[in-house]
Order: sequence, then C-alpha cells, then structure tokens
Amino acid sequence: AQSVTQPDIHITVSEGASLELRCNYSYGATPYLFWYVQSPGQGLQLLLKYFSGDTLVQGIKGFEAEFKRSQSSFNLRKPSVHWSDAAEYFCAVGADAGNMLTFGGGTRLMVKP
Amino acid sequence: DARVTQTPRHKVTEMGQEVTMRCQPILGHNTVFWYRQTMMQGLELLAYFRNRAPLDDSGMPKDRFSAEMPDATLATLKIQPSEPRDSAVYFCASGLVLRDEQYFGPGTRLTVT
Repeated sequence: AQSVTQPDIHITVSEGASLELRCNYSYGATPYLFWYVQSPGQGLQLLLKYFSGDTLVQGIKGFEAEFKRSQSSFNLRKPSVHWSDAAEYFCAVGADAGNMLTFGGGTRLMVKP
Repeated sequence: DARVTQTPRHKVTEMGQEVTMRCQPILGHNTVFWYRQTMMQGLELLAYFRNRAPLDDSGMPKDRFSAEMPDATLATLKIQPSEPRDSAVYFCASGLVLRDEQYFGPGTRLTVT
C-alpha cells in the first residue's frame, strides 16, 4: 500500500527567504510523485510531477522538487519566497497501477513581510 | 484551456434539505473523483469513477450520500438529507489514469444550517 507524510503542518518564512517543504512516501517501487498548491478559496493546482528520469524536477512559479529514493522523499523547494506563495501545499503519490493518488495532510505556508 | 467545472460554487441550505452538486470533467477524461475538505479532516476522498462506473465509494456515508455519472460529461454528488456536519468544500477532479495527475475543479462550498 502507498502512503505519504508531510511532517510539517505549518511553516512560516520571511519573504525572500528560501523554502523547503518535506514529503515522505512509502512504496516499494518508484512511484509517481506530485506537488499541488491550494490558494485560499481555490481548488488544487499542480505545481510539478515526477515519473522517471532526472530526479530534480522543475515546476511552475519557480518551484522545484527532488526525488531521493534512498530517503523516500520528494521535498519541494523554492530559492526565494514571494508573499503570493502563501497557500497550502499537498504532496501526493500514485503507486500501484490500479490505485489512485494518495494525498498527504498538507503544509500551510505563511509568508512574513 | 480545459478545466473542471463545478456548480454551484456556494450553497447554503437548511438541515434536512436535499443538496445536489454537479461536476463537468475535462472532455476526454475517464476518471472522476469526489473529495470533501474540512479544517478538521483535511482532504478526504469520497468516491471515484472510471468510465462512468463507480470503483470505490467507501469514503461516503452511504445512508445519505450518493454519487452518479449520468453521462461522460456530468458527475453528481447528492446529499439527502443534509446535516450541519456535511458543511465543507466539495471538490471534483478528473484525470486519465488512476495513478496520474488529477485536475481539480474550484469546489462547491456547502453550508448546512
């Protein structure tokens, strides 16, 4: 069975500072991995996804994520956070071909001026 | 720009009333998902369909919730009778492959008084 954990429920960073949001998954093989962002009052929007190949994945809005098989992690990063990045971020894993995505509990990002 | 649409965007109703939420998946997508999001429980999967057939609705309270796909362009989620604890944001998402990316609609914010 697949599972995904986002250890940080809330994170606060200052505008302009770097950001890393953690995501750990549980699955025996290489999963499909996703990061979604949800702005207040909006649906979830895909930031990036990893299936195979280069383990560093670039996404929209200046985000990137790195797949590390040895650590079962897929952490999301951004070098310089903007106030508009304040939102909730969800990591998701898709593993078995017959199963749909499993979402983590989300990390709420707040940005200080 | 293909998008998942949901109607209504907001619904306020009294306890005991029937509520019907509608979703139009992206044309060509053959998997449809219904989620519920609350502050306390986060994002919960209620049900999902593939090629209009329900694959799993174990996340739904069966006595009051029902989900259907009358045709490939319409998915419905019905609550009868509604209760205050049903107050939440209900999201519809569609996709092509179960373990692949899901495209989310803007959600229906339901308030049951």
